[in-house]
Amino acid sequence: AQSVTQLGSHVSVSEGALVLLRCNYSSSVPPYLFWYVQYPNQGLQLLLKYTSAATLVKGINGFEAEFKKSETSFHLTKPSAHMSDAAEYFCAVSGPGGGADGLTFGKGTHLIIQP
Amino acid sequence: EAQVTQNPRYLITVTGKKLTVTCSQNMNHEYMSWYRQDPGLGLRQIYYSMNVEVTDKGDVPEGYKVSRKEKRNFPLILESPSPNQTSLYFCASSSSPQGVYEQYFGPGTRLTVT
Repeated sequence: AQSVTQLGSHVSVSEGALVLLRCNYSSSVPPYLFWYVQYPNQGLQLLLKYTSAATLVKGINGFEAEFKKSETSFHLTKPSAHMSDAAEYFCAVSGPGGGADGLTFGKGTHLIIQP
Repeated sequence: EAQVTQNPRYLITVTGKKLTVTCSQNMNHEYMSWYRQDPGLGLRQIYYSMNVEVTDKGDVPEGYKVSRKEKRNFPLILESPSPNQTSLYFCASSSSPQGVYEQYFGPGTRLTVT
């Protein structure tokens, strides 16, 4: 069984500061990892994904994440926060196949940007 | 435009009154699924479908039914809704259940059961 743990249900940063959202996973097989963003009153939008290619993955809106197998982590970062980054962020893991594993989501981290 | 649509977007109903939330995708995806989102719990999968006439339970299927008679549609049915089914529901579709493919999400349906 696979699982995802997001550390911190709420993270607050100042505009222009570094954004770091933490995600740790457990999986019995090499995972595929995703970060999704949910803006208020909207559905989920894919930010980036790791699918066993480069360990540093670049996504939309200046976000990137690094897959670290030894730490079973896939933390999301952005060098400089913008007010428009305020949203809910979800880390998710999926197995590589062998059935409809679908996505297992973390509980989400609400990112607050302070002016 | 490639998209997943859900209807209705908002619904308030009473306990026991059957309802259906529709989901449709225009990307010819084989895989579709339903999630519910609750504060502090993230998204949890209710049901999924690998293809037409092929459906299976996710993590929280109790109180829900689904059908997949056409590739593009995957309705969620609550035959006797209860207040604990008050939630935000998302439909998603993908080319494949395998994780390498992105899942596309609908805009969500906010359901309140009184």
